Amino acid sequence: ETGVTQTPRHLVMGMTNKKSLKCEQHLGHNAMYWYKQSAKKPLELMFVYSLEERVENNSVPSRFSPECPNSSHLFLHLHTLQPEDSALYLCASSQAHDRVSGELFFGEGSRLTVL
Amino acid sequence: GQNIDQPTEMTATEGAIVQINCTYQTSGFNGLFWYQQHAGEAPTFLSYNVLDGLEEKGRFSSFLSRSKGYSYLLLKELQMKDSASYLCAVLDSNYQLIWGAGTKLIIKP
Repeated sequence: ETGVTQTPRHLVMGMTNKKSLKCEQHLGHNAMYWYKQSAKKPLELMFVYSLEERVENNSVPSRFSPECPNSSHLFLHLHTLQPEDSALYLCASSQAHDRVSGELFFGEGSRLTVL
Repeated sequence: GQNIDQPTEMTATEGAIVQINCTYQTSGFNGLFWYQQHAGEAPTFLSYNVLDGLEEKGRFSSFLSRSKGYSYLLLKELQMKDSASYLCAVLDSNYQLIWGAGTKLIIKP
């Protein structure tokens, strides 16, 4: 139990579907992250929110849309995805998006399969 | 470009010692992290090195040489539960984490 909870753990969707991934952290952190993890590839940072404001968007396609309503919750809205978007999507939190932001607390991820 | 290199897979025997290497080329350096990720689970923080030398934490130790752009994670008295992927990551000058692809460690009885 890392203090970061992701739902759903598994998701299968067609390319025309719309779905959302949810992340909740119970650690009192003020920065939250979405990462994409594909087999045998480095973690890819998608979005960073610090104090509920997006501070980074690493050129992610618009079919991925993040939402951070408060410092404890983070969503990733998905629509018209492609098969190559199939991956493990990890949420993480940290105390602050600053010099100590390398110590991240991860959720167990949402395994997404796009058919 | 920025790059982190670590072996894709390693195999070791229960009770033995294994060293997982990580070399990096990044724009600046603000520390190096090791994470452990068991299959189907969340990555968890293991260690942080920002100064040269060896940091020991129980059976695990992490070493850093900034001049060589090199780190290793040393696991002693290996146990079956140490079978996992080990991720190396560097915090660059913009305080962005640059990740390696991870090393899958297989422990055999």
